[in-house]
Order: sequence, then C-alpha cells, then structure tokens
Amino acid sequence: SQTIHQWPATLVQPVGSPLSLECTVEGTSNPNLYWYRQAAGRGLQLLFYSVGIGQISSEVPQNLSASRPQDRQFILSSKKLLLSDSGFYLCAWIGQGGEYFGPGTRLTVL
Amino acid sequence: AQKVTQAQTEISVVEKEDVTLDCVYETRDTTYYLFWYKQPPSGELVFLIRRNSFDEQNEISGRYSWNFQKSTSSFNFTITASQVVDSAVYFCAFSYGQNFVFGPGTRLSVLP
Repeated sequence: SQTIHQWPATLVQPVGSPLSLECTVEGTSNPNLYWYRQAAGRGLQLLFYSVGIGQISSEVPQNLSASRPQDRQFILSSKKLLLSDSGFYLCAWIGQGGEYFGPGTRLTVL
Repeated sequence: AQKVTQAQTEISVVEKEDVTLDCVYETRDTTYYLFWYKQPPSGELVFLIRRNSFDEQNEISGRYSWNFQKSTSSFNFTITASQVVDSAVYFCAFSYGQNFVFGPGTRLSVLP
C-alpha cells in the first residue's frame, strides 16, 4: 500500500538557521511529489513539485529550495529561515493511483 | 488559469443543523478531478471524496453529500445533521495533469 512519511513531525528553529524536511514514499515508483505550505489560518500553497529525480519545479519564489535525490525521496530545505517560514508543511504524492498526503511537519520559526 | 474558490471563509452552525460548503472552480480543461478534504486541528488532511469531470452523479455517504454541477462549475458539500466532531477546515481541491490546486478552505464550527 502507498504510504508517505514525513519527519520531523514538529520543529522549532531560530531565525537564520537552516532547515531540512524530508519526505519519503512507499508503495510506488516514479511518483510525482509535492510540497505544500499552510501558514496559520491560511490555505495550502503549492511550493514545489517534482516529476522525477533531479527535476524540481518551483511555484513560488522564496528562500526555500527542494531536491529529489532519489525516486522516493523529496527534501525541502532552507539556508536561512525567516519568521514567515513558520507553518505546516505537507508532502504529497499525486498520480494515476490516487492522491496521498503525509502527516505534515509543523515548523515554528522564532 | 485554473482556480478554486471557496467563498465562505468561516461558518458557524448549531449541532444538528444542515450546512452546505460551496466550491466553485475555473478551468478550460475537459478532464479533471475534484476533491474534498477535511483538516481537523491536528493538521492532517482527511480524504473525503474524489470525483472525475465526466461523472456528474451526486453522491451520498452517510451524513455527507456532494452536488457536482458542471454547468455552473460547482462542487458543493453538504453535511446533514451536523455534529461537533465535524468542526474542521474543509478544502475543496482540483486536479488536472500534474497540478493539484486547493481552495482557500472553509472553517466550519459546529456548536453544541
């Protein structure tokens, strides 16, 4: 069965620190993977999507970046976090087999 | 451009009332999917329904029902006899090709 793992579940980081959020999927090969962010009280904003290893499309320019080092791994990174990066980050796998969302990472930048 | 609109930002109802959450989408595509998700306070997205653009048949699942009207580009969601546990943010979403777009969400509060 298809499963999406995200870690960590919660994270508190100071402004200016780096960030690395990891997402891995099971039960599929060559998935289309997505990163969404939800700021407090707001909707889900698409940040990045990837159709394959090394292929990243950015929807919103900002200080975040994404990488796809392996077929089933999708990483969201930042070199220096901003207060506005606080939010709930969701990884998703969307394809012919359906749509699956990870449990999310709640990031607080202080 | 494809877009999903949920005009109701917040709705409050008293338990046992019926409530309808509106969703309107914009697209030029003929093949697409529509979804509803529930997001409880814990944050995870709970899948409720997936409907393809060629299936306009309305659907009922327990207290939940969905009305897909292609002529008005709407996919409304009705909860009958609402309960406190229905309190959450509800997202309508639209999928076409590799793209998956969420509406802004409607926060539903069901008061005892």
